[in-house]
Amino acid sequence: EAGVAQSPRYKIIEKRQSVAFWCNPISGHATLYWYQQILGQGPKLLIQFQNNGVVDDSQLPKDRFSAERLKGVDSTLKIQPAKLEDSAVYLCASSLAIAGGGNEQFFGPGTRLTVL
Amino acid sequence: GDSVTQMEGPVTLSEEAFLTINCTYTATGYPSLFWYVQYPGEGLQLLLKATKADDKGSNKGFEATYRKETTSFHLEKGSVQVSDSAVYFCAPSSYQKVTFGTGTKLQVIP
Repeated sequence: EAGVAQSPRYKIIEKRQSVAFWCNPISGHATLYWYQQILGQGPKLLIQFQNNGVVDDSQLPKDRFSAERLKGVDSTLKIQPAKLEDSAVYLCASSLAIAGGGNEQFFGPGTRLTVL
Repeated sequence: GDSVTQMEGPVTLSEEAFLTINCTYTATGYPSLFWYVQYPGEGLQLLLKATKADDKGSNKGFEATYRKETTSFHLEKGSVQVSDSAVYFCAPSSYQKVTFGTGTKLQVIP
């Protein structure tokens, strides 16, 4: 079974530039998550999709971050314009879950973003 | 929402030592509890889980018991190996949302 795919793996940009990350979840997984992991911290949820609808985007800085999952499969996270404090690893995860608990999230390898 | 307090690291142990990493949580509902692990250069992966009170999750010699009365989910291993060196995250999950702790870095020396 193929895992969660993410690209690119690394990205270096200057502040005020824009950047986009792509994620393809495990086939059949209804729920997709984007996390931001700053060095030395735990992952922080940015946005959660259930199929192609947004379940939770309360911690997404909507003035600069946007995300979409148009066909309920793969997803794109965009930052425009980037700030120095956006330097982090951006993780995508997916799970089968529709309802209830105990459902494992499967993580991609992440995209390491450096903003200069 | 949920919150989690995890033992600060780094934790340095000799091989074959006993490991405990403390984790306590607060949750409005009845969460499932997870430990995730991040090995150097790798992505996050599930280590073990427990979905109801008094359940014990176990994997690769690690164990954690869901203690509802103390809202804790401490991770233990009887004899650590160098290959266990990694960052460990405690993570309660309610309504499909996972809240991660800050992580505890474990370094095991030969």
